[in-house]
Amino acid sequence: AQRVTQPEKLLSVFKGAPVELKCNYSYSGSPELFWYVQYSRQRLQLLLRHISRESIKGFTADLNKGETSFHLKKPFAQEEDSAMYYCALNYGGATNKLIFGTGTLLAVQP
Amino acid sequence: DTGVSQDPRHKITKRGQNVTFRCDPISEHNRLYWYRQTLGQGPEFLTYFQNEAQLEKSRLLSDRFSAERPKGSFSTLEIQRTEQGDSAMYLCASSLDRGYTFGSGTRLTVV
Repeated sequence: AQRVTQPEKLLSVFKGAPVELKCNYSYSGSPELFWYVQYSRQRLQLLLRHISRESIKGFTADLNKGETSFHLKKPFAQEEDSAMYYCALNYGGATNKLIFGTGTLLAVQP
Repeated sequence: DTGVSQDPRHKITKRGQNVTFRCDPISEHNRLYWYRQTLGQGPEFLTYFQNEAQLEKSRLLSDRFSAERPKGSFSTLEIQRTEQGDSAMYLCASSLDRGYTFGSGTRLTVV
């Protein structure tokens, strides 16, 4: 069965430190993965998708099919990066329904 | 267009009452999704519409839940005979391609 695992509930780093938010998935088909972010008192919003191979707000994520991972990385954390981050997998094919991980709260300390 | 709107933002109801939530998607988005999120969990898929057709329902959606999207515009999610276990954040999202635009959600508390 499909599954998305985010092993860390909380990740605390200092400003300027590198960040890696872990995401592992289990899926028998060809995976399509996303990172969503929720800043304090804001709605959930799309950060990036693996298909686009883009960098948003300095964040990147590479799909590693061998390790079934899609970790989110940023070389230098900023205080404004503090938020809840969710990894999500499209398991519905054309319907694009998503299964989300339980989320990781990133806290960037000054 | 201000994005995806959900109404109400909060709803407190007594167990056994019926509640209805509304979602207004981005007008050009033909896909609409409902998700439920409980404390400490990520959102869980409930149902999906393409235009006015409800194409998929999760097994999480018991017979007490019903959703509609008349004319492919706004959508409603109704919960009949609410139970305490229905307390959650109900999220609506709309999409034109692969990425979702979420609403702010309706927080339901069943007392």
